[in-house]
Amino acid sequence: ILNVEQSPQSLHVQEGDSTNFTCSFPSSNFYALHWYRWETAKSPEALFVMTLNGDEKKKGRISATLNTKEGYSYLYIKGSQPEDSATYLCAFNSGNTPLVFGKGTRLSVIA
Amino acid sequence: NAGVTQTPKFQVLKTGQSMTLQCAQDMNHEYMSWYRQDPGMGLRLIHYSVGAGITDQGEVPNGYNVSRSTTEDFPLRLLSAAPSQTSVYFCASSLTGPYTTNEKLFFGSGTQLSVL
Repeated sequence: ILNVEQSPQSLHVQEGDSTNFTCSFPSSNFYALHWYRWETAKSPEALFVMTLNGDEKKKGRISATLNTKEGYSYLYIKGSQPEDSATYLCAFNSGNTPLVFGKGTRLSVIA
Repeated sequence: NAGVTQTPKFQVLKTGQSMTLQCAQDMNHEYMSWYRQDPGMGLRLIHYSVGAGITDQGEVPNGYNVSRSTTEDFPLRLLSAAPSQTSVYFCASSLTGPYTTNEKLFFGSGTQLSVL
């Protein structure tokens, strides 16, 4: 079973702070890396699907980078707001297995 | 579009009972899947389907059964519920999948299942 690690497990930041967290995945047999946001009492929603080494994606104050050679992706949130509080999941696609999800990073933004 | 519709939202079962979790999508997605979410674990794949009449096992298939008679529907059956099946279940679909695809997953609203 492929290992997808996310760190930190949880994070508390003040409103207005910028923050980032990491998803690590196997550097061999890479096909795609997904990021999802999962708010409490809701279902996960896709943020990004990244496929190319060096890829950078942006959606509002949230951005992500991808390094397939070393097997990691960073998710950045600029100027965190309380509505950013959620669990952020990454999922790895090797191209020959279904998506494997990490355990997530739980972000709490304190007003 | 309703997206992915999952029912019920909550269910309590006694050990040994059977039930079916319903999942339907109206986006003409080929790929449908079932995950379970347990505390301290990532989403784990139970079963998946790449089209009507085709299903396959995921990481944790034991105790569950699926079928896909139409493109729209992908029910998950618990044959004889056990306390270890207490979990939150999510149905998810994408246009294509699960291997060489860049398509994102669309998730249902989840089912919280307790087995006593």
